[in-house]
Amino acid sequence: GAVVSQHPSWVICKSGTSVKIECRSLDFQATTMFWYRQFPKQSLMLMATSNEGSKATYEQGVEKDKFLINHASLTLSTLTVTSAHPEDSSFYICSARPAGTANQPQHFGDGTRLSIL
Amino acid sequence: GNSVTQMEGPVTLSEEAFLTINCTYTATGYPSLFWYVQYPGEGLQLLLKATKADDKGSNKGFEATYRKETTSFHLEKGSVQVSDSAVYFCALRGNSQGNLIFGKGTKLSVKP
Repeated sequence: GAVVSQHPSWVICKSGTSVKIECRSLDFQATTMFWYRQFPKQSLMLMATSNEGSKATYEQGVEKDKFLINHASLTLSTLTVTSAHPEDSSFYICSARPAGTANQPQHFGDGTRLSIL
Repeated sequence: GNSVTQMEGPVTLSEEAFLTINCTYTATGYPSLFWYVQYPGEGLQLLLKATKADDKGSNKGFEATYRKETTSFHLEKGSVQVSDSAVYFCALRGNSQGNLIFGKGTKLSVKP
C-alpha cells in the first residue's frame, strides 16, 4: 500500500536551532501534502497545506516565517522550524494523498517528535 | 463550519469487553468519515472509513456505520484485546476540502 516516510522520527536540539523535517511519498506522487501538529493530549491541528511547485497555504495563526514549507517535487515536502524554541516542542505529522485521488484517504507518516531544550 | 466531537477518555476496559467510542459530526453536504488509530509512539493509521450514508466501515474487528440521521459514526468492537490499546481519532473530510478535521481523540486502555 501507499507509504509515507517521515524523517527524522525524533530530534532533540538546543534553542535557536533550525530543524528540517522531511516527508516523502515512497510509492506514489503527491501533489498535495499536509503538515499537522499534535499537542499533548490534544488532537492534530492542521498547520499548512503543501502544494508541489507553489507556495504553501497556512492555517490561521501559523507563522509562515517560523514554519517554512517547501514542496519541490511530487514526492517530497519539507517543514523547517526556524530558530526553534521550547514552545515549538511537539509531535509533527505529515500526510499525503496520491495525485488524482481526491476521494481517497490521506496516508500519514509516523511523525517527528521535536524536543527543544 | 465542519467539526467532530468524540467522547472523552480515557476508556479502560478488560480484555474481551465490548467497546463503543462515540463520534458525532457537524458538516455541510456529505462528508467522508474516518477512524484513525495511533499506537503508542507511532503515527496515525487509517482504521476504517465510510464515504456515504449507511455505509459500514470495518477492519480488524472494528466497525462504524455512517448515520446521517444522527450525524454519528460510532466505533464499535465486540471483544477488545490488550493490543487494541491506543488513541482513536474520529475525522471527517468535507466534499470540497482536502484536509481532515479531527476529533480530540479517545485513549483506550485494555487490561488483561
